[in-house]
Amino acid sequence: TQLLEQSPQFLSIQEGENLTVYCNSSSVFSSLQWYRQEPGEGPVLLVTVVTGGEVKKLKRLTFQFGDARKDSSLHITAAQPGDTGLYLCAAVHTGGFKTIFGAGTRLFVKA
Amino acid sequence: NAGVMQNPRHLVRRRGQEARLRCSPMKGHSHVYWYRQLPEEGLKFMVYLQKENIIDESGMPKERFSAEFPKEGPSILRIQQVVRGDSAAYFCASSPPGTTGITQYFGPGTRLTVL
Repeated sequence: TQLLEQSPQFLSIQEGENLTVYCNSSSVFSSLQWYRQEPGEGPVLLVTVVTGGEVKKLKRLTFQFGDARKDSSLHITAAQPGDTGLYLCAAVHTGGFKTIFGAGTRLFVKA
Repeated sequence: NAGVMQNPRHLVRRRGQEARLRCSPMKGHSHVYWYRQLPEEGLKFMVYLQKENIIDESGMPKERFSAEFPKEGPSILRIQQVVRGDSAAYFCASSPPGTTGITQYFGPGTRLTVL
């Protein structure tokens, strides 16, 4: 069974701090996605990483795909209250169509 | 271009009733996925459909749950004889042809409460 484990599960920080959240698996994936979900809404796709070692930047967010394509990280610089939300990583099940999601990291940024 | 639409946004049913959840994919999208999310948990895949075909239903409970995506109209997730454990948020996502699973756009979800 392919699983995605996210850590930490919960993170509460002050505005302006930096943070990193992780998504790990023992399986290799052809691609991995990061989503952000706000209360009462559906997940919104932030980025897709495809190549091992790939780094993508989205304003203050930096996404990295591990060299072996088994893990990924999301780094946020100078967090703002607007970054508060549930961050989910997801990957397509090898050989199929099923997308598996991690349980998410719930981030709360205090003003 | 309208996003993925789901209705109703909130649905309350008593045990034993039927729940019908509707999903209209983004224009031009031919792939639809349904997920279930319990409080404080991630999303669990239920089923993947293309027009008039169920491609992967490995995440669907064997009984009481069914899904369809007809040639015309929205995709429907149907839950018969609901039980309290069916209470959850149900999300639909769609993707354009050729991007199976990789690029999914999610709807706002239907929150089902079973009394």
